[in-house]
Amino acid sequence: KAGVTQTPRYLIKTRGQQVTLSCSPISGHRSVSWYQQTPGQGLQFLFEYFSETQRNKGNFPGRFSGRQFSNSRSEMNVSTLELGDSALYLCASSLAGRVSSYEQYFGPGTRLTVT
Amino acid sequence: GESVGLHLPTLSVQEGDNSIINCAYSNSASDYFIWYKQESGKGPQFIIDIRSNMDKRQGQRVTVLLNKTVKHLSLQIAATQPGDSAVYFCAENPPSGGSYIPTFGRGTSLIVHP
Repeated sequence: KAGVTQTPRYLIKTRGQQVTLSCSPISGHRSVSWYQQTPGQGLQFLFEYFSETQRNKGNFPGRFSGRQFSNSRSEMNVSTLELGDSALYLCASSLAGRVSSYEQYFGPGTRLTVT
Repeated sequence: GESVGLHLPTLSVQEGDNSIINCAYSNSASDYFIWYKQESGKGPQFIIDIRSNMDKRQGQRVTVLLNKTVKHLSLQIAATQPGDSAVYFCAENPPSGGSYIPTFGRGTSLIVHP
Protein backbone atom coordinates (compact mmCIF):
# COMPACT_ATOMS: atom_id res chain seq x y z
CA LYS A 1 0.00 0.00 0.00
CA ALA A 2 1.43 3.39 -0.98
CA GLY A 3 2.22 5.82 1.80
CA VAL A 4 1.18 9.43 2.21
CA THR A 5 2.48 11.56 -0.63
CA GLN A 6 2.97 15.30 -0.62
CA THR A 7 3.67 17.62 -3.50
CA PRO A 8 5.73 19.55 -4.13
CA ARG A 9 8.60 18.48 -1.90
CA TYR A 10 10.33 21.84 -2.04
CA LEU A 11 9.01 25.29 -2.77
CA ILE A 12 10.42 28.80 -2.75
CA LYS A 13 8.04 31.74 -2.64
CA THR A 14 8.25 35.46 -2.11
CA ARG A 15 6.61 37.42 0.67
CA GLY A 16 3.06 38.36 -0.19
CA GLN A 17 2.50 35.47 -2.55
CA GLN A 18 0.21 32.56 -1.85
CA VAL A 19 0.94 28.85 -2.01
CA THR A 20 -1.02 25.63 -2.29
CA LEU A 21 0.32 22.33 -1.01
CA SER A 22 -1.14 18.95 -1.83
CA CYS A 23 -1.48 15.73 0.14
CA SER A 24 -2.66 12.31 -0.99
CA PRO A 25 -3.50 10.07 1.99
CA ILE A 26 -3.11 6.34 2.24
CA SER A 27 -5.88 4.59 0.35
CA GLY A 28 -8.90 4.13 2.60
CA HIS A 29 -7.86 6.81 5.08
CA ARG A 30 -10.51 9.45 5.53
CA SER A 31 -8.84 11.78 8.00
CA VAL A 32 -6.11 14.17 6.89
CA SER A 33 -4.29 16.47 9.29
CA TRP A 34 -1.79 19.19 8.53
CA TYR A 35 1.11 20.27 10.69
CA GLN A 36 3.77 22.96 10.57
CA GLN A 37 7.27 22.15 11.78
CA THR A 38 9.87 24.85 12.46
CA PRO A 39 13.09 24.86 14.49
CA GLY A 40 11.70 27.56 16.73
CA GLN A 41 8.20 26.28 17.45
CA GLY A 42 8.57 22.59 16.76
CA LEU A 43 5.64 20.65 15.41
CA GLN A 44 2.27 22.40 15.54
CA PHE A 45 -1.17 21.23 14.55
CA LEU A 46 -2.83 23.27 11.80
CA PHE A 47 -6.14 21.52 11.05
CA GLU A 48 -7.82 18.22 10.37
CA TYR A 49 -10.23 17.29 7.61
CA PHE A 50 -12.59 14.37 7.63
CA SER A 51 -15.13 13.59 4.93
CA GLU A 52 -14.49 16.93 3.21
CA THR A 53 -15.19 18.90 6.40
CA GLN A 54 -12.77 20.69 8.66
CA ARG A 55 -13.22 18.92 11.95
CA ASN A 56 -10.54 20.52 14.10
CA LYS A 57 -8.39 23.59 13.86
CA GLY A 58 -5.23 24.69 15.60
CA ASN A 59 -4.21 28.17 16.60
CA PHE A 60 -3.13 29.63 13.28
CA PRO A 61 -4.31 32.80 11.51
CA GLY A 62 -6.95 32.72 8.82
CA ARG A 63 -4.25 32.98 6.12
CA PHE A 64 -3.90 29.23 6.59
CA SER A 65 -6.75 27.30 5.07
CA GLY A 66 -7.40 23.91 3.63
CA ARG A 67 -9.87 21.67 1.97
CA GLN A 68 -10.48 18.01 1.34
CA PHE A 69 -11.89 16.41 -1.77
CA SER A 70 -14.26 13.49 -2.10
CA ASN A 71 -11.34 11.13 -2.72
CA SER A 72 -9.82 12.28 0.62
CA ARG A 73 -6.98 14.14 -1.06
CA SER A 74 -6.33 17.41 0.70
CA GLU A 75 -4.82 20.77 -0.07
CA MET A 76 -3.70 23.53 2.21
CA ASN A 77 -3.31 27.13 1.18
CA VAL A 78 -1.33 29.92 2.73
CA SER A 79 -2.11 33.40 1.51
CA THR A 80 -0.04 36.56 1.86
CA LEU A 81 3.08 34.67 2.78
CA GLU A 82 5.33 35.96 5.54
CA LEU A 83 8.96 35.13 6.22
CA GLY A 84 7.84 33.27 9.36
CA ASP A 85 5.82 30.85 7.26
CA SER A 86 9.04 29.18 6.15
CA ALA A 87 8.69 25.68 7.51
CA LEU A 88 8.24 22.01 6.79
CA TYR A 89 4.55 21.34 6.24
CA LEU A 90 3.53 17.81 7.06
CA CYS A 91 0.41 15.96 6.19
CA ALA A 92 -0.77 12.90 8.09
CA SER A 93 -3.59 10.50 7.37
CA SER A 94 -5.49 8.06 9.52
CA LEU A 95 -8.50 5.83 9.20
CA ALA A 96 -10.93 7.92 11.16
CA GLY A 97 -9.48 9.87 14.08
CA ARG A 98 -12.23 9.05 16.53
CA VAL A 99 -11.11 5.62 17.58
CA SER A 100 -9.10 4.26 20.48
CA SER A 101 -5.86 4.85 18.66
CA TYR A 102 -5.02 7.99 16.73
CA GLU A 103 -2.25 6.34 14.75
CA GLN A 104 -1.38 8.67 11.94
CA TYR A 105 0.87 8.11 8.98
CA PHE A 106 2.93 11.11 7.96
CA GLY A 107 4.12 12.13 4.54
CA PRO A 108 7.66 13.37 3.92
CA GLY A 109 6.55 17.00 4.03
CA THR A 110 6.83 20.04 1.80
CA ARG A 111 9.71 22.35 2.60
CA LEU A 112 8.51 25.92 2.04
CA THR A 113 10.99 28.76 1.98
CA VAL A 114 9.68 32.32 1.90
CA THR A 115 12.13 35.00 0.78
CA GLY B 1 14.87 14.83 28.96
CA GLU B 2 12.71 17.40 27.21
CA SER B 3 10.02 19.89 28.06
CA VAL B 4 7.49 21.20 25.64
CA GLY B 5 8.67 24.40 23.99
CA LEU B 6 12.35 24.33 25.03
CA HIS B 7 15.70 23.31 23.57
CA LEU B 8 16.39 20.04 21.81
CA PRO B 9 18.51 17.84 24.08
CA THR B 10 20.73 15.04 22.85
CA LEU B 11 21.14 11.53 24.18
CA SER B 12 24.18 9.56 23.07
CA VAL B 13 24.32 5.83 23.71
CA GLN B 14 26.31 2.83 22.61
CA GLU B 15 24.76 0.17 20.42
CA GLY B 16 23.17 -2.48 22.60
CA ASP B 17 22.51 -0.16 25.52
CA ASN B 18 19.02 0.67 26.72
CA SER B 19 17.87 4.23 26.07
CA ILE B 20 15.45 6.30 28.11
CA ILE B 21 13.95 9.44 26.62
CA ASN B 22 11.89 11.70 28.82
CA CYS B 23 9.08 14.14 28.21
CA ALA B 24 7.33 16.56 30.56
CA TYR B 25 3.83 17.31 29.34
CA SER B 26 1.84 20.39 30.17
CA ASN B 27 -1.84 19.59 30.61
CA SER B 28 -2.84 17.45 33.58
CA ALA B 29 -6.12 16.65 31.84
CA SER B 30 -4.50 15.21 28.71
CA ASP B 31 -5.93 11.77 28.12
CA TYR B 32 -3.79 10.33 25.38
CA PHE B 33 -0.11 10.36 24.53
CA ILE B 34 1.98 9.27 21.56
CA TRP B 35 5.70 8.88 20.98
CA TYR B 36 7.04 9.62 17.51
CA LYS B 37 10.36 8.99 15.80
CA GLN B 38 11.55 11.34 13.08
CA GLU B 39 14.53 10.51 10.94
CA SER B 40 16.32 13.16 8.97
CA GLY B 41 14.39 14.14 5.86
CA LYS B 42 11.33 12.14 6.79
CA GLY B 43 8.00 12.75 8.45
CA PRO B 44 7.34 11.56 12.02
CA GLN B 45 6.63 7.88 12.53
CA PHE B 46 4.23 6.58 15.19
CA ILE B 47 6.03 4.40 17.73
CA ILE B 48 3.65 3.73 20.58
CA ASP B 49 0.72 5.31 22.37
CA ILE B 50 -0.76 5.20 25.83
CA ARG B 51 -4.00 6.34 27.40
CA SER B 52 -4.15 8.17 30.70
CA ASN B 53 -5.81 5.19 32.42
CA MET B 54 -2.61 3.20 31.96
CA ASP B 55 0.81 3.54 33.60
CA LYS B 56 2.80 1.37 31.22
CA ARG B 57 2.55 -0.04 27.77
CA GLN B 58 4.99 -2.26 25.92
CA GLY B 59 5.68 -2.68 22.25
CA GLN B 60 8.44 -4.30 20.31
CA ARG B 61 11.67 -3.20 22.06
CA VAL B 62 9.90 -0.11 23.37
CA THR B 63 8.09 0.67 26.60
CA VAL B 64 6.23 3.83 27.47
CA LEU B 65 5.76 4.84 31.10
CA LEU B 66 3.27 7.45 32.21
CA ASN B 67 3.44 9.22 35.57
CA LYS B 68 0.40 11.44 35.83
CA THR B 69 1.35 12.70 39.28
CA VAL B 70 4.31 14.62 37.90
CA LYS B 71 3.07 14.86 34.30
CA HIS B 72 5.96 12.83 32.97
CA LEU B 73 6.24 10.44 30.09
CA SER B 74 9.21 8.28 29.17
CA LEU B 75 10.15 6.07 26.26
CA GLN B 76 12.47 3.16 26.90
CA ILE B 77 14.21 1.53 23.96
CA ALA B 78 15.81 -1.82 24.64
CA ALA B 79 19.02 -2.92 22.95
CA THR B 80 19.36 0.33 21.02
CA GLN B 81 20.52 -0.04 17.42
CA PRO B 82 22.13 2.45 15.02
CA GLY B 83 18.85 2.52 13.11
CA ASP B 84 17.21 4.00 16.19
CA SER B 85 19.17 7.22 15.71
CA ALA B 86 16.58 9.93 15.18
CA VAL B 87 14.68 12.70 16.93
CA TYR B 88 12.03 11.39 19.30
CA PHE B 89 9.19 13.51 20.56
CA CYS B 90 6.07 13.03 22.53
CA ALA B 91 2.61 14.39 21.89
CA GLU B 92 -0.21 14.93 24.34
CA ASN B 93 -3.86 15.19 23.50
CA PRO B 94 -5.67 17.62 25.81
CA PRO B 95 -9.40 17.06 26.35
CA SER B 96 -10.99 17.78 22.98
CA GLY B 97 -14.30 15.99 22.82
CA GLY B 98 -12.90 12.80 21.36
CA SER B 99 -10.77 14.50 18.71
CA TYR B 100 -7.03 14.35 18.30
CA ILE B 101 -5.57 17.84 18.53
CA PRO B 102 -2.06 17.15 19.74
CA THR B 103 0.49 19.36 21.41
CA PHE B 104 4.02 18.22 20.68
CA GLY B 105 7.21 18.30 22.67
CA ARG B 106 10.31 19.71 21.04
CA GLY B 107 12.07 16.40 20.85
CA THR B 108 15.22 14.61 21.92
CA SER B 109 17.92 13.67 19.47
CA LEU B 110 19.09 10.09 20.02
CA ILE B 111 22.52 9.23 18.68
CA VAL B 112 23.52 5.58 18.71
CA HIS B 113 27.22 4.84 18.35
CA PRO B 114 28.18 1.48 16.81
